[in-house]
Amino acid sequence: DTAVSQTPKYLVTQMGNDKSIKCEQNLGHDTMYWYKQDSKKFLKIMFSYNNKELIINETVPNRFSPKSPDKAHLNLHINSLELGDSAVYFCASSQVGQTGEQYFGPGTRLTVT
Amino acid sequence: AQSVTQLDSQVPVFEEAPVELRCNYSSSVSVYLFWYVQYPNQGLQLLLKYLSGSTLVKGINGFEAEFNKSQTSFHLRKPSVHISDTAEYFCAVSERGYQKVTFGTGTKLQVIP
Repeated sequence: DTAVSQTPKYLVTQMGNDKSIKCEQNLGHDTMYWYKQDSKKFLKIMFSYNNKELIINETVPNRFSPKSPDKAHLNLHINSLELGDSAVYFCASSQVGQTGEQYFGPGTRLTVT
Repeated sequence: AQSVTQLDSQVPVFEEAPVELRCNYSSSVSVYLFWYVQYPNQGLQLLLKYLSGSTLVKGINGFEAEFNKSQTSFHLRKPSVHISDTAEYFCAVSERGYQKVTFGTGTKLQVIP
């Protein structure tokens, strides 16, 4: 069983398009995250949700909108895609009250042309 | 605010040689410390973590790390590396009671046959 899964694994699209990435975790965790990893492997947190409530919102363009329909799912919608959005996006989850250890999905490689 | 510095962006080492990957952190409160490993085209997975107690922490795949509070360091070591250890390694810190984890910029370990 995959603990944290993401779809799609690869996403190639043109500038100006709108796209979504989906994430699901079956660990029973109550906190989920989106990270962006650039070409230099730098990992930057974008958002965090705890029980469907937004708790971390870093300086991310408002073209990015996370949605959490329930605590097991956290989706990321991106409007008006730009070349600079090309990156690998990782979803992760953890459990409040524990040690901060996070479990990561396999990543979605987004390429904007 | 917490921060993490990984002093080396790349570390080449011959197979069966020992290796140390350096990590320093900064925080005004007590922290948890982590090392994650990212194999090519995969998500991050936890290698080991320091929560409290013994300053020497053992993890998976023969890795260990030592927490040094006075030097605010958490260096990762392995006495004998294998080709399969070639990967990107990330040091991370979270402040106790706070869900946000801050990652370092990563160290690429290249094991040379």
